[in-house]
Amino acid sequence: GENVEQHPSTLSVQEGDSAVIKCTYSDSASNYFPWYKQELGKRPQLIIDIRSNVGEKKDQRIAVTLNKTAKHFSLHITETQPEDSAVYFCAASVEAAGNKLTFGGGTRVLVKP
Amino acid sequence: ETGVTQTPRHLVMGMTNKKSLKCEQHLGHNAMYWYKQSAKKPLELMFVYNFKEQTENNSVPSRFSPECPNSSHLFLHLHTLQPEDSALYLCASSHVQGGTGELFFGEGSRLTVL
Repeated sequence: GENVEQHPSTLSVQEGDSAVIKCTYSDSASNYFPWYKQELGKRPQLIIDIRSNVGEKKDQRIAVTLNKTAKHFSLHITETQPEDSAVYFCAASVEAAGNKLTFGGGTRVLVKP
Repeated sequence: ETGVTQTPRHLVMGMTNKKSLKCEQHLGHNAMYWYKQSAKKPLELMFVYNFKEQTENNSVPSRFSPECPNSSHLFLHLHTLQPEDSALYLCASSHVQGGTGELFFGEGSRLTVL
């Protein structure tokens, strides 16, 4: 089955700096890669996703890049703000097999004012 | 009410008790999921139901018994649990086909097994 590794497990950045979280996956058939954000005491929510037919996707201050050859994808947050403090989860799945997402271990991001 | 709602939000039970967690979605989705969230494994898939049929049982012990009477409701029946089963149990829903693939999570049920 799919295995997703996520690094780092914790990340502390100064407000205004950039944050980068990296994930690797094992199943070369995986073609859907979402990122979820979970604020303290709240539910996980989708923030951005990418499919294997594109290499990069941006939405305001967040972007995701995908390298299918190397089987890794990354989340980039620019101009970080205190409200970006949360746990971020990457995930991977084979879309044709339904929504059986395999999640990474999570990255706790702390943005210091 | 909209979205995915879970009850109870907190549950404390002894190892010999029988209890149930309930999940309800008002999003018109046809797939529902149970995830376990703990410090060891932050988001671990337990069960998947597509159109009320169970399509995934991720090697979950039989002391956890899911039930999906219709596309809007999902239960997790608990009996003779162990202390290591203490965790946050998250329900989620999504479209199976024709949607974005996004999972919509509930707030979770925090379970403590004494």
